Amino acid sequence: GAVVSQHPSWVICKSGTSVKIECRSLDFQATTMFWYRQFPKQSLMLMATSNEGSKATYEQGVEKDKFLINHASLTLSTLTVTSAHPEDSSFYICSASSNGYGYTFGSGTRLTVV
Amino acid sequence: GEDVEQSLFLSVREGDSSVINCTYTDSSSTYLYWYKQEPGAGLQLLTYIFSNMDMKQDQRLTVLLNKKDKHLSLRIADTQTGDSAIYFCAESSNTGNQFYFGTGTSLTVIP
Repeated sequence: GAVVSQHPSWVICKSGTSVKIECRSLDFQATTMFWYRQFPKQSLMLMATSNEGSKATYEQGVEKDKFLINHASLTLSTLTVTSAHPEDSSFYICSASSNGYGYTFGSGTRLTVV
Repeated sequence: GEDVEQSLFLSVREGDSSVINCTYTDSSSTYLYWYKQEPGAGLQLLTYIFSNMDMKQDQRLTVLLNKKDKHLSLRIADTQTGDSAIYFCAESSNTGNQFYFGTGTSLTVIP
């Protein structure tokens, strides 16, 4: 079946640095990518939606200058957390869809900012 | 990665029960989850079950786990139109550092 590879699985970075998370669809064309952040009660908050070749649409309350999303090709989307702070420590997960037909999730990235 | 599978679509009549099924392959799964996604929203955690449990009930929701067959189901009693959404099952190990989601089941409730 469809596979989305998300890297890295976990990362520790220093406060003030930037971290890039990649999501690749391995065997299908991801026309739409979704980025989520998981909060302590296990609900996943939708951060942004991106269509290939277009600017991402951010949800209310998500800083687009802090969470940079690039979806330059049909198989790759990246989320860059810029100038990371400890409060950005969380679990980030991507999901990809091909023309709205089903969703395939990455396995997530655990970010710890120290 | 691990395989988590769901059927893509389910339609039920209002007032009937809905049963959404999920199968997974990872025998080391510790937690199994059901999430609900309404249009344009994130994934809301509905319920979860530990792998050493067989059943969990929470109001209209009943989760059944058959660990031998690696089969998880979510039963919604007295399904309402507000239950129309996409339902995802997911599993994780006890570290919680890796999640594996199903593709989602789109539930349509017919008035």
